Amino acid sequence: AQSVTQLDSQVPVFEEAPVELRCNYSSSVSVYLFWYVQYPNQGLQLLLKYLSGSTLVKGINGFEAEFNKSQTSFHLRKPSVHISDTAEYFCAVGKTSYDKVIFGPGTSLSVIP
Amino acid sequence: DAGITQSPRHKVTETGTPVTLRCHQTENHRYMYWYRQDPGHGLRLIHYSYGVKDTDKGEVSDGYSVSRSKTEDFLLTLESATSSQTSVYFCAISESGQPQETQYFGPGTRLLVL
Repeated sequence: AQSVTQLDSQVPVFEEAPVELRCNYSSSVSVYLFWYVQYPNQGLQLLLKYLSGSTLVKGINGFEAEFNKSQTSFHLRKPSVHISDTAEYFCAVGKTSYDKVIFGPGTSLSVIP
Repeated sequence: DAGITQSPRHKVTETGTPVTLRCHQTENHRYMYWYRQDPGHGLRLIHYSYGVKDTDKGEVSDGYSVSRSKTEDFLLTLESATSSQTSVYFCAISESGQPQETQYFGPGTRLLVL
């Protein structure tokens, strides 16, 4: 069965420090990969997605993610975080043979002033 | 922002009572989804709809039913609420349901079953 793993449930980081949120998935076929962000008391919104082509994907608010097929990973990075980046981040996977998207358990990013 | 509203936004109910949550969209998207969000589980799909009166089950559909009589409205019903259904419920939409499409989410409904 397809699954998405986000090993870090909580990530505290100081303001202006870099951050990496990890995502691994299990799939033997081609996948589509997403990162969604959920700010406090809001719904989810798309941060970025990988469909094909360049493995480095740039998203909104200075975030980027790199697709690594051999390691089945899609880690999210930002070189310098801001207080406003405090949120829950969800990795999600879709594949052509399965019409539903699977979400990971989420990583709570807390930016410390 | 995609035009998706959910009502009510907050609800407290008692075990055994029926509850209906409503999702309304103004985007004319074909697919609509109901998810529940619980700590440690992320989002899990309850039911989804691929057109008027066309619905299917997700991974956690037990205890829930849905209906879609109009393109813009998707209702989630808990026939007899239980404490295990205390959760935050999100509605989402996508244009044609393809796995590479972005899903757009509503603001959520917080449900507490006492």
